[in-house]
Amino acid sequence: AQSVAQPEDQVNVAEGNPLTVKCTYSVSGNPYLFWYVQYPNRGLQFLLKYITGDNLVKGSYGFEAEFNKSQTSFHLKKPSALVSDSALYFCAVRAKMEYGNKLVFGAGTILRVKS
Amino acid sequence: KAGVTQTPRYLIKTRGQQVTLSCSPISGHRSVSWYQQTPGQGLQFLFEYFSETQRNKGNFPGRFSGRQFSNSRSEMNVSTLELGDSALYLCASSLDRGNYGYTFGSGTRLTVV
Repeated sequence: AQSVAQPEDQVNVAEGNPLTVKCTYSVSGNPYLFWYVQYPNRGLQFLLKYITGDNLVKGSYGFEAEFNKSQTSFHLKKPSALVSDSALYFCAVRAKMEYGNKLVFGAGTILRVKS
Repeated sequence: KAGVTQTPRYLIKTRGQQVTLSCSPISGHRSVSWYQQTPGQGLQFLFEYFSETQRNKGNFPGRFSGRQFSNSRSEMNVSTLELGDSALYLCASSLDRGNYGYTFGSGTRLTVV
């Protein structure tokens, strides 16, 4: 069965420093991977996805993610963190079902960026 | 282009009541999925509707049901509400049934008292 692990409940980083939010996955076949961000009392906002192609995926708001097949990882990165990046981040993998797909999410990682 | 619209944003219901949540997908999207988000269980798949038919269902009791209309709008119903049904319910629409991603609405916060 497909699964996603986000090993850190919370990541703290100073504004201006690079940030990394970790994600590992388990899936049969080729992985379709996603990152979403959630602000308080809001839905999920799409950041980026990996379907195929370059291992470095660029997304919204300056975020990027690195796909590593051998390590089954898909870590989210940003070169310079902003206080406004503070939010809850979810990694997800597409899971095939009998008649379509669903997303399987990790538990989420709280990112706190301090000024 | 309008996004995914969920109504209402907030609901307070009493145990034993029933509730109906609404989701209007992005224009042209025919697939609508529902997810439940709770602090304890995280984000869990409820069901997916495509072309007015439920295609897939998650591991939830029969009290959770839904439907989709010909204009792709979807409703989700929870009967005989329990305290544990308190959650953020998220709707997601997709053009290609999730092959390349989903767009989520802002959610409906349901509180059962």
